[in-house]
Amino acid sequence: SQQGEEDPQALSIQEGENATMNCSYKTSINNLQWYRQNSGRGLVHLILIRSNEREKHSGRLRVTLDTSKKSSSLLITASRAADTASYFCLTGANSKLTFGKGITLSVRP
Amino acid sequence: NAGVTQTPKFQVLKTGQSMTLQCAQDMNHEYMSWYRQDPGMGLRLIHYSVGAGITDQGEVPNGYNVSRSTTEDFPLRLLSAAPSQTSVYFCASSYGRLLNSPLHFGNGTRLTVT
Repeated sequence: SQQGEEDPQALSIQEGENATMNCSYKTSINNLQWYRQNSGRGLVHLILIRSNEREKHSGRLRVTLDTSKKSSSLLITASRAADTASYFCLTGANSKLTFGKGITLSVRP
Repeated sequence: NAGVTQTPKFQVLKTGQSMTLQCAQDMNHEYMSWYRQDPGMGLRLIHYSVGAGITDQGEVPNGYNVSRSTTEDFPLRLLSAAPSQTSVYFCASSYGRLLNSPLHFGNGTRLTVT
């Protein structure tokens, strides 16, 4: 079974709009990470948030973590066509790192 | 500094054939892992290793073997290929043994079993 589950499964927005993606997980974690995958490529690390952090920023990315609800959100502000990709959250227990099924984001020019 | 290198990029096998997917990293990472990615299924963990000489099973280990004789290399062996193993395979490595640092991914091997 997969630890992290993202929603929505697909998201289509206009360039310039904000995109919000969510990830829920089932068991306690030390950290949570978000990754991006462009079509046909490997995953690229975006941001890591530790369990004792509530919010983290990196450029146009903002990640929040609510350990009481076992959920995280990824916000991409002022989206660009180049943000079109699949996004995954990664959680883990011990050394078994588990990805969700991913969110497909389409940003229309 | 090449990062994580996977070879080959593409492979076609006949049912019953065996082969090894290669993965090498030059970052001195302790943690290495193999995932398969299928449409609608996300990435599923096949096997992982927290250091040379140590391997363990992930979510979908059946039909695959791994070994970790060196820190740098983590090959994935398909013992007797089946059409259900048609997938894109990704190798990833990380500094440390737990989810404390980012995973670095290779560009994947696209495998087709006929």
